[in-house]
Amino acid sequence: GQQVMQIPQYQHVQEGEDFTTYCNSSTTLSNIQWYKQRPGGHPVFLIQLVKSGEVKKQKRLTFQFGEAKKNSSLHITATQTTDVGTYFCAGSSGNTGKLIFGQGTTLQVKP
Amino acid sequence: DAGVTQSPTHLIKTRGQQVTLRCSPKSGHDTVSWYQQALGQGPQFIFQYYEEEERQRGNFPDRFSGHQFPNYSSELNVNALLLGDSALYLCASGTDYNEQFFGPGTRLTVL
Repeated sequence: GQQVMQIPQYQHVQEGEDFTTYCNSSTTLSNIQWYKQRPGGHPVFLIQLVKSGEVKKQKRLTFQFGEAKKNSSLHITATQTTDVGTYFCAGSSGNTGKLIFGQGTTLQVKP
Repeated sequence: DAGVTQSPTHLIKTRGQQVTLRCSPKSGHDTVSWYQQALGQGPQFIFQYYEEEERQRGNFPDRFSGHQFPNYSSELNVNALLLGDSALYLCASGTDYNEQFFGPGTRLTVL
């Protein structure tokens, strides 16, 4: 079945350093979504990418969707302590409404 | 406007028992999805309900069943509980195949 892999599993950075998490799907995706989950919290929607090669920015966050629509990345510039949490990518194939989540990347930021 | 609400917050059951979890979607949303999130893992799709019908189902046994009511609220039922069913159960609502709004979850512990 469809699988979504995410790396790295954990990342510790010094405040101010950059951070990137990568997401790869075993199948072509119709769209990919990114979520952030704070410790003890629930996933919160960040963004959805739909088009091949799409790049979207939200302040210090940059999201990319690969040309083949099988991979994606999230890059955070100059991390802050408020960026701490687990970042999940979630892919959907076809208009099924079924989201397949990656295992997540947990970001720790040292002040 | 209340977001997605779930009840109860926490639940402790013993093996073999049955449990019912409840979810009220965000106002204006007609689609409800249920996810199981084990500790340290990404959410796993259980099923999705739309117009009171199960529209999509993940790789979960028949012990997991659900229902959607005319007011779009939903229930997740799990029969014959196993220790491995211990997890955070998340409900998410949305419209069509766009962003999902997650509820705070129900933490189920099976002893």
